[in-house]
Amino acid sequence: AQKVTQAQTEISVVEKEDVTLDCVYETRDTTYYLFWYKQPPSGELVFLIRRNSFDEQNEISGRYSWNFQKSTSSFNFTITASQVVDSAVYFCALSEETSGSRLTFGEGTQLTVNP
Amino acid sequence: DTAVSQTPKYLVTQMGNDKSIKCEQNLGHDTMYWYKQDSKKFLKIMFSYNNKELIINETVPNRFSPKSPDKAHLNLHINSLELGDSAVYFCASSRQASAGPTDTQYFGPGTRLTVL
Repeated sequence: AQKVTQAQTEISVVEKEDVTLDCVYETRDTTYYLFWYKQPPSGELVFLIRRNSFDEQNEISGRYSWNFQKSTSSFNFTITASQVVDSAVYFCALSEETSGSRLTFGEGTQLTVNP
Repeated sequence: DTAVSQTPKYLVTQMGNDKSIKCEQNLGHDTMYWYKQDSKKFLKIMFSYNNKELIINETVPNRFSPKSPDKAHLNLHINSLELGDSAVYFCASSRQASAGPTDTQYFGPGTRLTVL
């Protein structure tokens, strides 16, 4: 069965600090996708990234970067030089080949960036 | 242009009432979903429709009935509302869900349901 664990419930940093949000997943499938979504205080869910299980290349998008390591079943998300606008709940999610289109979400990490 | 829209954004109602939440997507996607986010922010899938056909039906009480009049719309009807139904309900859509993992799901703004 698929499972996603985000062990960090809350993280608080000061602006300009770098912060890494951890995500560990469990799956028996060899084909799967991993996602990160952002939920700002306004409540909507914003898609950030999608990664398939065959692509372990790290990805960078501006101040955001993602580190996918199959050996440790982790898909961690780093925000460099954090800003107050990064304050949000961040969700990691998994979709397995055998589960069709079902997204399984982690519990979320509340990130607070203080000025 | 809003890609996935939901109405209403807020819904406050009494226990025992019946209510509906509407969802529309203009992305041309074939698959639509309903997720429930509880008070602890945990997100869980409820239903999924592909081209108006139900493909995922999690263990949701049968008081919840999704209806898809066409592939751009997926509505959620809830009968006999209970206190525990209070949550945020998100609609989402993606391109056609094949036998493999899903394409990216794009979410609507959510509907906050409060049952008094």
